[in-house]
Amino acid sequence: QQQVKQSPQSLIVQKGGISIINCAYENTAFDYFPWYQQFPGKGPALLIAIRPDVSEKKEGRFTISFNKSAKQFSLHIMDSQPGDSATYFCAASASGAGSYQLTFGKGTKLSVIP
Amino acid sequence: DSGVTQTPKHLITATGQRVTLRCSPRSGDLSVYWYQQSLDQGLQFLIHYYNGEERAKGNILERFSAQQFPDLHSELNLSSLELGDSALYFCASSVDGVQETQYFGPGTRLLVL
Repeated sequence: QQQVKQSPQSLIVQKGGISIINCAYENTAFDYFPWYQQFPGKGPALLIAIRPDVSEKKEGRFTISFNKSAKQFSLHIMDSQPGDSATYFCAASASGAGSYQLTFGKGTKLSVIP
Repeated sequence: DSGVTQTPKHLITATGQRVTLRCSPRSGDLSVYWYQQSLDQGLQFLIHYYNGEERAKGNILERFSAQQFPDLHSELNLSSLELGDSALYFCASSVDGVQETQYFGPGTRLLVL
């Protein structure tokens, strides 16, 4: 059972454009939603994260939008740059059980073309 | 650089063999998580250790085991290896049992021939 569904699998955006990646989750116990960025040959690195008590969080060119009722959240990358070309993973975890393992989406490979 | 180190970077071995992957968390981090990344399954949680104790198990095969030592480094042992075990293995660390950023290491790429 895939608990976090991510789309699209791949995305090509022109430089300066907006990249949008969507995720949906099923487990209502999830209460922490990070996005990770991964470059080839590297480990995932935290980009931005949100908790369900807010509907939007912005850090620089990166924004997470969160819709608790729809159990969906999305990453928007404004003014996309070639250096943003990477694979992006949404994830979710649940508090309260003493372990905060991440459940990941399948990833979106973003290519930003000049 | 996340501050998490993993060795070796690459590992090539044969089916039926046993290997040990090592992870050193960031200084001060008590939690170590292990994840497996494969093309078909994506990133999947294997096991979590906190200050030497096992906290949670995910999709970890019985052929796999892990431990965290008093100096907080962790080892993931993979035995009776199969072709399907070929994958990237990441460890991640976080400060303590609080839900917050997990810092990932560079990974160990395992190839089973």
